[in-house]
Amino acid sequence: DAGVTQSPTHLIKTRGQQVTLRCSPKSGHDTVSWYQQALGQGPQFIFQYYEEEERQRGNFPDRFSGHQFPNYSSELNVNALLLGDSALYLCASSLFGQETYSNQPQHFGDGTRLSIL
Amino acid sequence: GNSVTQMEGPVTLSEEAFLTINCTYTATGYPSLFWYVQYPGEGLQLLLKATKADDKGSNKGFEATYRKETTSFHLEKGSVQVSDSAVYFCALQSSGGYQKVTFGIGTKLQVIP
Repeated sequence: DAGVTQSPTHLIKTRGQQVTLRCSPKSGHDTVSWYQQALGQGPQFIFQYYEEEERQRGNFPDRFSGHQFPNYSSELNVNALLLGDSALYLCASSLFGQETYSNQPQHFGDGTRLSIL
Repeated sequence: GNSVTQMEGPVTLSEEAFLTINCTYTATGYPSLFWYVQYPGEGLQLLLKATKADDKGSNKGFEATYRKETTSFHLEKGSVQVSDSAVYFCALQSSGGYQKVTFGIGTKLQVIP
């Protein structure tokens, strides 16, 4: 049973470029969340997708956008990259929470490390 | 909004010492509480969880009790090993349909032989 998989593992970009990160959720999960973890910090919630729609969003600018596909996989897009976007980007999957499921932990991938030069 | 306050590290302990990492939270409703561990160069691994008041989560010798009266979820281990060296994150997950997770800043633990 495959867990959450993210690609690529590492990525180097320059300021102003655009990047797309990909995530496949754990089998049986239908909800994908994205987090940004800057060096030495805890992960910060970017947004969450369910039924191909953005359901919740954290305090991130519109440069950060996403998409969820019918097979539940997801992409995170970041436009006009800034040096401050350098971070580990984590994807987490879960089963949409009715109360029964809302106390189940999300499953995290190993992340994509994005470096901006 | 929700928030998690976690003691900052780094924490350096000798092998077999007792570990406590403090964590307090602010939340509405009835959140679930978690401790995650992150080893160098890796993603997050769930260490333990507690879903309601007075629940005790435990795993690999680590324990934490969900204390609603003090809004705390302190992580403890009676005897740490070198292999426990990692960054530990306290986290809170909203109740209800959307499972947004709020993390603390993380506490780096270094265990020396």
